[in-house]
Amino acid sequence: DIQMTQSPSSLSASVGDRVTITCRASQSISNTLNWYQQKPGKAPKLLIYAASSLQSGVPSRFSGSGSGTDFTLTISSLQPEDLATYYCQQSYSTFPYTFGQGTKLEIK
Amino acid sequence: EVQLVQSGAEVKKPGESLKISCKGSGYNFASYWIIWVRQMPGKGLECMGIVYPGDSDIKYSPSFQGQVTISADKSISTAYLQWSSLKASDTAMYYCARRGPNSFSSDYWGQGTLVTVSS
Repeated sequence: DIQMTQSPSSLSASVGDRVTITCRASQSISNTLNWYQQKPGKAPKLLIYAASSLQSGVPSRFSGSGSGTDFTLTISSLQPEDLATYYCQQSYSTFPYTFGQGTKLEIK
Repeated sequence: EVQLVQSGAEVKKPGESLKISCKGSGYNFASYWIIWVRQMPGKGLECMGIVYPGDSDIKYSPSFQGQVTISADKSISTAYLQWSSLKASDTAMYYCARRGPNSFSSDYWGQGTLVTVSS
């Protein structure tokens, strides 16, 4: 299986800050990288697919970049409602589509 | 509107069997893969398996092969996840999700089914 490693595991930031989360794949996955947001007690929600495409209805402060093995999720101006855990997921080749271990984002 | 609605929370004893469901609506259920995802208490997301309701093709993650059974009935737009003999370590939230057309991402998710296994 392809392994996905996210960093950091947790972070704390203030409203208005620019926040960056990184995800590294154990082998090249082209651009088949997706990002999800999971708020406490809720199901995950798709934010970004194909590394940089914004899912319909997702605020434009979220963006993604990268290809190959290194990827980034950026929140340009952190909002209180962005309190959540964020997961990357690779969907390269065959199943299983492995997730990263998650990044817990707290608001200062 | 696309929706996936899962069956309700379950409390079971070790050794019991269980089948939980995920009903799709608002789209052609037979034409999209359904993924089952496990989330153990306080932990991350794990892909368990995936089923194509159109022809019941199924793929399992190696970690879950032989531990669970995944199926689907396209006539009633429902996918299933079942256990023949539950263990305490099966205690978790289980989500179904649709594999969408974009980069094989999961674009719609069920609300989750909490399974608690305790003696």
